[in-house]
Amino acid sequence: AQSVTQLDSQVPVFEEAPVELRCNYSSSVSVYLFWYVQYPNQGLQLLLKYLSGSTLVESINGFEAEFNKSQTSFHLRKPSVHISDTAEYFCAVSASNNDMRFGAGTRLTVKP
Amino acid sequence: DTAVSQTPKYLVTQMGNDKSIKCEQNLGHDTMYWYKQDSKKFLKIMFSYNNKELIINETVPNRFSPKSPDKAHLNLHINSLELGDSAVYFCASSLGGRGNSPLHFGNGTRLTVT
Repeated sequence: AQSVTQLDSQVPVFEEAPVELRCNYSSSVSVYLFWYVQYPNQGLQLLLKYLSGSTLVESINGFEAEFNKSQTSFHLRKPSVHISDTAEYFCAVSASNNDMRFGAGTRLTVKP
Repeated sequence: DTAVSQTPKYLVTQMGNDKSIKCEQNLGHDTMYWYKQDSKKFLKIMFSYNNKELIINETVPNRFSPKSPDKAHLNLHINSLELGDSAVYFCASSLGGRGNSPLHFGNGTRLTVT
């Protein structure tokens, strides 16, 4: 089965600084990759996804992630973060069996 | 116009009791899931139903029994609740069974067993 490792449990960063949240996956078959965000007391919301095609995918709020097959990575980046980006971020991998597995999450804290 | 709704939002109960959590989606999706999120935010899949048929059943105690009366509903019944069952339970749905459809999550049910 596929699995995901998020390398950082917590990432503190100052407002307007760049950030990278790291994600590595493991799978013996082709996969689809996702990033979700969870705000306090809410469910997870899709941030962006890689299904096929261009390896660089973007979200509407300035995040981007790059699929790197050789390094089995799907790191999430933002060039300039805002206080409102403070949340828990989950990387997820899914194979054709529709079994989506999540990483342990990275707590992003943006400080003023 | 809530897409995936769960009830109740909070559930406080004593050990040994039986409780149910209900989930409904109005997105027209054919696949529904239950995930458990522990106190460290780790998300673990419990069950997955596609067109009312169970397709994923992780190693979950048989005290947990999902029921899908139709494609839009997936309920979770828990017998003989234990302290370790305390967690946030999320219902989710997606379209299609090929793995490339993102999940839509409800807002969770926080279960506290005392």
